[in-house]
Amino acid sequence: DQQVKQNSPSLSVQEGRISILNCDYTNSMFDYFLWYKKYPAEGPTFLISISSIKDKNEDGRFTVFLNKSAKHLSLHIVPSQPGDSAVYFCAASASGAGSYQLTFGKGTKLSVIP
Amino acid sequence: DTAVSQTPKYLVTQMGNDKSIKCEQNLGHDTMYWYKQDSKKFLKIMFSYNNKELIINETVPNRFSPKSPDKAHLNLHINSLELGDSAVYFCASSQQGEKLFFGSGTQLSVL
Repeated sequence: DQQVKQNSPSLSVQEGRISILNCDYTNSMFDYFLWYKKYPAEGPTFLISISSIKDKNEDGRFTVFLNKSAKHLSLHIVPSQPGDSAVYFCAASASGAGSYQLTFGKGTKLSVIP
Repeated sequence: DTAVSQTPKYLVTQMGNDKSIKCEQNLGHDTMYWYKQDSKKFLKIMFSYNNKELIINETVPNRFSPKSPDKAHLNLHINSLELGDSAVYFCASSQQGEKLFFGSGTQLSVL
């Protein structure tokens, strides 16, 4: 039972263009969402998060959008750079649980082509 | 200066053996975790300790036993290893349920 789904296993984008990574969730109790980035042979690293009281959070080239009614969030990277090539994991948790109980998606492998 | 360090990075062993993976964090965090990334690439929580106390214990065979000697260390001991235990195991830490900091992972291969 996948409560967090990343339906695109991979995505290729030209350098300088926008990368859009999508994530859907089924558990309506989730109210805190995070994106993690993972390079090969390394652990995931935190990228950006959003609380359900917001619909957008921006940090430099990275913006996360949350659509609660659709139970959907997306990560936008503009402009994309070759160093952004990695696997991106979407994660979610319910109120009070914080990162004590994060549920992860399967990840989307982003390739940014120079 | 690695924030969350785990050893070994690679572990190859025979079925039936007992092995341990060690984890240490120097971030002063109260909570530590073990996650498993299986062949389907899902990252799933196994255990969570807060100040040396077990707070999350997901459905994991009791062959897996976490040990937290102090809040900076959370080791994972696995008895009677099985083929299905082959996976990448990640240690992580956080402060009061905030964002997780992960170690670089231990690739376990059971032959």
